Amino acid sequence: VQLVESGGGLVQPGKSLKLSCSASGFTFSSYGMHWIRQAPGKGLDWVAYISSSSGTVYADAVKGRFTISRDNAKNTLYLQLNSLKSEDTAIYYCARGGLLDYWGQGVMVTVSS
Amino acid sequence: DIVMTQAPLSVSVTPGESASISCRSSKSLLHSNGITYVYWYLQKPGKSPQLLIYRMSNLASGVPDRFSGSGSETDFTLKISRVEAEDVGIYYCGQLLENPYTFGAGTKLELK
Repeated sequence: VQLVESGGGLVQPGKSLKLSCSASGFTFSSYGMHWIRQAPGKGLDWVAYISSSSGTVYADAVKGRFTISRDNAKNTLYLQLNSLKSEDTAIYYCARGGLLDYWGQGVMVTVSS
Repeated sequence: DIVMTQAPLSVSVTPGESASISCRSSKSLLHSNGITYVYWYLQKPGKSPQLLIYRMSNLASGVPDRFSGSGSETDFTLKISRVEAEDVGIYYCGQLLENPYTFGAGTKLELK
């Protein structure tokens, strides 16, 4: 099992960014997937979940600004981040399924002017 | 939201000795299906979190049996027997019972 995030970077407040998580080594379409973030020096903060049938759930802090999606043909999970705020600065991890049993290496998103 | 409270925030352990970390949830994590949805993760320095214990007491694949989890509906314990250098890092408990999933603040384990 391997999860590889990409798409992070430095972005100005109010702007957008799209993160990707490429999955391999398992049947991606059979698993729900999560995005979890970690602000610098802080703990784990769950962001969003998408089920195998593409039902979605969001943390209140990102609801209406972030969109989780998936492309099972490409074995890829996405997170569209809009209207970014400084408090969204964090490492963003994708993680698998109901156990969060596999995590990617993370991708850094920095929101700053 | 379910609040997860860990104690202590840091622990210093002599190699070969044991360590215990506590976690308390603000709501019962026991589902009607009999499963208690508390999980333990270790984040080694500079690395991603890794699953140690799932559903309160089940050892994740590849995790040494020096690790064990126990508890009740709201109070949980991670025990590490015979601590080794590779056990250094931050331990998080988390509840995966209901959205939003929430985690404790973490317990930093260091070696004496």
